[in-house]
Amino acid sequence: QVQLVESGGGVVQPGRSLRLSCAASGFTFSSYGMHWVRQAPGKGLEWVAVIWYDGSNKYYADSVKGRFTISRDNSKNTLYLQMNSLRAEDTAVYYCARDRLDLWGRGTLVTVSS
Amino acid sequence: SYVLTQPPSVSVAPGQTARITCGGNNIGSKSVHWYQQKPGQAPVLVVYDDSDRPSGIPERFSGSNSGNTATLTISRVEAGDEADYYCQVWDSSSDHYVFGTGTKVTVL
Repeated sequence: QVQLVESGGGVVQPGRSLRLSCAASGFTFSSYGMHWVRQAPGKGLEWVAVIWYDGSNKYYADSVKGRFTISRDNSKNTLYLQMNSLRAEDTAVYYCARDRLDLWGRGTLVTVSS
Repeated sequence: SYVLTQPPSVSVAPGQTARITCGGNNIGSKSVHWYQQKPGQAPVLVVYDDSDRPSGIPERFSGSNSGNTATLTISRVEAGDEADYYCQVWDSSSDHYVFGTGTKVTVL
């Protein structure tokens, strides 16, 4: 069925790196732009990044620009988020979402703590 | 950066109408989308492009957008509508997607 499944979350120390993955199935992944959206515990939604369907354009929230990199492998139907120089304030559930934010994964929790 | 402001909470009795506002500078010139999020779940798109509904979303959910305010209206509110609701736009001046601050809807 049509779905997105995130993985790669966990507990990481401040300053370290982590890579999230989002596996897509049930639709033509290579035809859609993709987003990462996060939600800190008890807080609202925060858009993180978007990548065009072919990877040609990428845009980032100011809070992560220069530290996070969004990428995709259309041959593997997979979206990625490389997170470097992690901070405590990056602690959140990270969701991947399709193009018009009409399809979301269940999220993966990233906890940045020493 | 573009800011979207929502009331923190709205309370409504079953069967009544809930209206959730989303304020932004000249938001009427943008396409507004609305999401419903229940505890422990991912958000679900309930209205897109101001007033269109994805398939499977009840007609009780409707939207409007004009001037500096967009509104999500939930008619004949049911207990299952209790959730957090977020508005969202794309800010073309910054190429950023922006979410509203969120509104918790409580069904009395």
